[in-house]
Amino acid sequence: IAGITQAPTSQILAAGRRMTLRCTQDMRHNAMYWYRQDLGLGLRLIHYSNTAGTTGKGEVPDGYSVSRANTDDFPLTLASAVPSQTSVYFCASSDSDHNEQFFGPGTRLTVL
Amino acid sequence: GQNIDQPTEMTATEGAIVQINCTYQTSGFNGLFWYQQHAGEAPTFLSYNVLDGLEEKGRFSSFLSRSKGYSYLLLKELQMKDSASYLCAVLTNDYKLSFGAGTTVTVRA
Repeated sequence: IAGITQAPTSQILAAGRRMTLRCTQDMRHNAMYWYRQDLGLGLRLIHYSNTAGTTGKGEVPDGYSVSRANTDDFPLTLASAVPSQTSVYFCASSDSDHNEQFFGPGTRLTVL
Repeated sequence: GQNIDQPTEMTATEGAIVQINCTYQTSGFNGLFWYQQHAGEAPTFLSYNVLDGLEEKGRFSSFLSRSKGYSYLLLKELQMKDSASYLCAVLTNDYKLSFGAGTTVTVRA
């Protein structure tokens, strides 16, 4: 692994289903973030983690949960997916909360 | 909420110069970032300004005026590969990034 990876690349999901998007980084960055990107709205922060064991809510946290059991992994879970959660999801990491963020390749999620 | 404005689209000719403006009104300011995002790809870091003035990095330069809540990204000697979206993002009081909607630049031959 080099940098930050996400899985799956894309997914079509029935409404009401549970889904976990995976994110792993090998840069030993302390901070990790989840964003969604929608046309015309730009990137919006869903949840973040400043360090392993801690998480916080971003701008649009409703319907999503995260965990940070270790430094490398930061999964995002949709407990019961709804069509409005159709979006492209990007995970990012940085070595501190005021440095540049490195983005993963994204997961394109469609909820039908 | 945060308010970060940038033009939706710009078109320029190969070899020309394009300036992408960004104005912001946010809850605090701890720096301004510019990212480049090619279609279907992840954003990648271009520049960071925290003090007023111009930062130059090769063909790309970024300017900041904190008193005016204003930044611009200058792309010189445009190449076809510069066709992308350019995202302005402000690091606010709580050290979280707030992004503008992005400016799509199309470079024509």
